[in-house]
Amino acid sequence: GQNIDQPTEMTATEGAIVQINCTYQTSGFNGLFWYQQHAGEAPTFLSYNVLDGLEEKGRFSSFLSRSKGYSYLLLKELQMKDSASYLCAVREVDSNYQLIWGAGTKLIIKP
Amino acid sequence: DSGVTQTPKHLITATGQRVTLRCSPRSGDLSVYWYQQSLDQGLQFLIQYYNGEERAKGNILERFSAQQFPDLHSELNLSSLELGDSALYFCASSVGGDNSYEQYFGPGTRLTVT
Repeated sequence: GQNIDQPTEMTATEGAIVQINCTYQTSGFNGLFWYQQHAGEAPTFLSYNVLDGLEEKGRFSSFLSRSKGYSYLLLKELQMKDSASYLCAVREVDSNYQLIWGAGTKLIIKP
Repeated sequence: DSGVTQTPKHLITATGQRVTLRCSPRSGDLSVYWYQQSLDQGLQFLIQYYNGEERAKGNILERFSAQQFPDLHSELNLSSLELGDSALYFCASSVGGDNSYEQYFGPGTRLTVT
């Protein structure tokens, strides 16, 4: 069956580094997206991984291991504005390439 | 600004009523997706249209329906509204129909059913 797991909530300190994990069990994996969503606002695209390895984009990096069904989003030099929910979504071949969305991880940044 | 527009921003209505939410995709995008997000909940995929045709269906209730018009804008119709339908409704658009590119989300319509 389809299953995506993310921690419900995480807390980190301004200036630090945080890693948000996403594990998945889907039928026919074909890519994983990360989105950021501030409270009451629309999700915005952060990254897309389809091959194993690390993709770096400024302060944000995303990693994928297809054999382990695992991805993480790494946020460095945390800023208060990074307080948001981070959504993991898997592109599934057997669902006609639809996205299966995780419930999201709420990240709280403290000064 | 994602380039996706949604109207109205807010909607307050009573149980049993019917409402229509409207979405205009980014210029050039052929796919439109509709999502429901209840308070402090994850995104629930409702339905996708691609170039005027229904492409995929998620957890959409029978009381809800949608369509995409020739100019590619889309409408989501919600009828026989219940208190539990109160939520943020997002529309998103993308270039293709198979999620090989990111989705761009509109600002959402906040629906309150009283």
